[in-house]
Amino acid sequence: DVKVTQSSRYLVKRTGEKVFLECVQDMDHENMFWYRQDPGLGLRLIYFSYDVKMKEKGDIPEGYSVSREKKERFSLILESASTNQTSMYLCASSLARQSFSNQPQHFGDGTRLSIL
Amino acid sequence: AQTVTQSQPEMSVQEAETVTLSCTYDTSESDYYLFWYKQPPSRQMILVIRQEAYKQQNATENRFSVNFQKAAKSFSLKISDSQLGDAAMYFCAFISAQKLVFGQGTRLTINP
Repeated sequence: DVKVTQSSRYLVKRTGEKVFLECVQDMDHENMFWYRQDPGLGLRLIYFSYDVKMKEKGDIPEGYSVSREKKERFSLILESASTNQTSMYLCASSLARQSFSNQPQHFGDGTRLSIL
Repeated sequence: AQTVTQSQPEMSVQEAETVTLSCTYDTSESDYYLFWYKQPPSRQMILVIRQEAYKQQNATENRFSVNFQKAAKSFSLKISDSQLGDAAMYFCAFISAQKLVFGQGTRLTINP
C-alpha cells in the first residue's frame, strides 16, 4: 500500500513565523500535491510537483512556497504565517503516466495548523 | 473555469438503506476522469470510485455505484445497504489540466 506521511498531525504557530510542513511518500511517485481543506470550500490546490526540483502553482499559491529536493519529499512553506492560513493541510502523491488523468491520488492524514 | 458542485452539505440515512449523493461539474473538455473520495473522522482521504468519461457504463465498486450523465455533467454516488462505517465526508472530484478540482463535500451520517 502507498504510504503518504505528514510530519505533524497538529501544529500551533504564531503569526509571522516561518512554518514548514513536511510530506514523505514511499512508493516512488513522481507527482506530489499540497492542498488546504476548509469547511464549505472542499480541498483547494496550493502547489504541485511532477518531478524533483519542479513545481507548479495551484489555485491558491499566495503566501506559500514549496520545495522538492528529493523525489520522496515535498515540503510546504509558509514564509510568514498569518491567521488566515489556519486550516487543514493535506499532502497527496500519484504515479505519473502519460497524464495525471487516470492516476488516483493517495493522501496523507493531514496536518491541522493553527496560527495564533 | 472548471468547477465541481455538491449541493448537499449534509445527508443522513438509516443503516441498511440506500442513499444518493449528488455532484455536478462544469468543463469544456471531452476526455476526463471523475472521482469520489471519502474522508472519515480519521481524516485520511480514501478513493471510493472513479469513472472515465469516455466509458458509458457506470462504475461500480461493491456497494458503491455511480450514475454518470455526461450530457448533463452529473456524477452522483449511490451507496447501497448503508453501514455505520460509511459515515464520512464525501468529496466529488474532477481531473482538469492535470489537477484535481474538488467539490465542497457532503457530510453523510448513518443512523443506527
